[in-house]
Amino acid sequence: DTGVSQDPRHKITKRGQNVTFRCDPISEHNRLYWYRQTLGQGPEFLTYFQNEAQLEKSRLLSDRFSAERPKGSFSTLEIQRTEQGDSAMYLCASTAGTEAFFGQGTRLTVV
Amino acid sequence: AQRVTQPEKLLSVFKGAPVELKCNYSYSGSPELFWYVQYSRQRLQLLLRHISRESIKGFTADLNKGETSFHLKKPFAQEEDSAMYYCALSDTGRRALTFGSGTRLQVQP
Repeated sequence: DTGVSQDPRHKITKRGQNVTFRCDPISEHNRLYWYRQTLGQGPEFLTYFQNEAQLEKSRLLSDRFSAERPKGSFSTLEIQRTEQGDSAMYLCASTAGTEAFFGQGTRLTVV
Repeated sequence: AQRVTQPEKLLSVFKGAPVELKCNYSYSGSPELFWYVQYSRQRLQLLLRHISRESIKGFTADLNKGETSFHLKKPFAQEEDSAMYYCALSDTGRRALTFGSGTRLQVQP
C-alpha cells in the first residue's frame, strides 16, 4: 500500500498516560494534516505542516497536544496526560495539490 | 467562520431510485467544495470536487453560490453506493478541510 499509513490502528490507554501516533504521508506530498473525528461528526482540523514547518494549530489542540514532522517526512502526534474526552479517531492526510489523501486513522480509547 | 451543514444523518433509498445528499456552506471568500466518501472498512477518499465539474461513479454536484449549496446527486442509486458521504470546504490559504457531519446513504435492494 503506497498511500498514507498510520500507526497504531488502535490504542487503548489509561487516563493520565501519554500516547504517540505516527503518520507516514505519501512521499512526494509536502503538506501533512492532522484531524480528529468523534462519533457522529465529520473530521475536525487540528494542525498542519508544510514540509517540516508547523504552520497552524487549531484551538482544539490544547497544550497537552504536540505534533512534529522532522525532516518533512513522517509526523508524530503526542497527547500527554490523556483524558476521556481525547477518545476519538485521529486521522492524518497528505496533499500535493487540492486533493487530500487520508490514512486509515488511529482509534484512541481512553479508559 | 466557515461552516458546512449536512442536514440528513441518514438517507435510505431503494436501488434505482434517485439520490440527493444535501450540503450547505458558509464561507466569506470563494470556496472550494468537495465530496468525500467512506465505504465500509475503508479510508476516507475524494469522490469529486466542484472545480473539476466531473461525474464520478454517476455522481454529480453543482456549486450554487446563490443558495450556498453543493448537493450531491445521482439519478439511479446502486447498492455499492452505500457509504458515508462528507461534504467539505477548503480555504484557499492553508487548504485545510472543514467537513460536515456526514450523511449515511443506504441503498436497499
